[in-house]
Amino acid sequence: SQQGEEDPQALSIQEGENATMNCSYKTSINNLQWYRQNSGRGLVHLILIRSNEREKHSGRLRVTLDTSKKSSSLLITASRAADTASYFCATDAWDDKIIFGKGTRLHILP
Amino acid sequence: ETGVTQTPRHLVMGMTNKKSLKCEQHLGHNAMYWYKQSAKKPLELMFVYNFKEQTENNSVPSRFSPECPNSSHLFLHLHTLQPEDSALYLCASSQDPGQGEEKLFFGSGTQLSVL
Repeated sequence: SQQGEEDPQALSIQEGENATMNCSYKTSINNLQWYRQNSGRGLVHLILIRSNEREKHSGRLRVTLDTSKKSSSLLITASRAADTASYFCATDAWDDKIIFGKGTRLHILP
Repeated sequence: ETGVTQTPRHLVMGMTNKKSLKCEQHLGHNAMYWYKQSAKKPLELMFVYNFKEQTENNSVPSRFSPECPNSSHLFLHLHTLQPEDSALYLCASSQDPGQGEEKLFFGSGTQLSVL
């Protein structure tokens, strides 16, 4: 089944550093989204990138998409303690099913 | 506050109990979803309702029974669950599936423990 696979599974960095998370998927998509989840809470939509886009920015977030490699990356610049959370990519393949990966657990160290 | 409210936040039930999870969205969306989140596994899409009609049942066991009386409310009825059903159950809504840019709005989830 189509599924995003995030890499790494867990990431710890110092506050102020940049955090990069990657996502790979298996089949062609309409768009790819990134979500964030704080522990024990629901997911919050961060950013959506369409299949015909290569890069998108939103505040400290930068998302890239390479459809030839079926991969995406999420960059969080100048990380803060409040960025500690799990981050998920989700793919939408034109069939109204939004399928999530297992996520990357990001821990920002003070 | 995402505009999607789930109750209860926590639920402990025995395998012979019957309980229901409730979800309500205040966003005027037309689609609602149930996802299951277990430790170390991807979110699993369980059910999708579009304009109150079920459009997806992702091979979910019959001990889970969804109900969508209107576009704003979604229930998940539970009976004779197994311990492996313990998980965080997340409800989500979206504006209008099929338009190609659906963003999901999630509730905070119900943490379910089956003893």
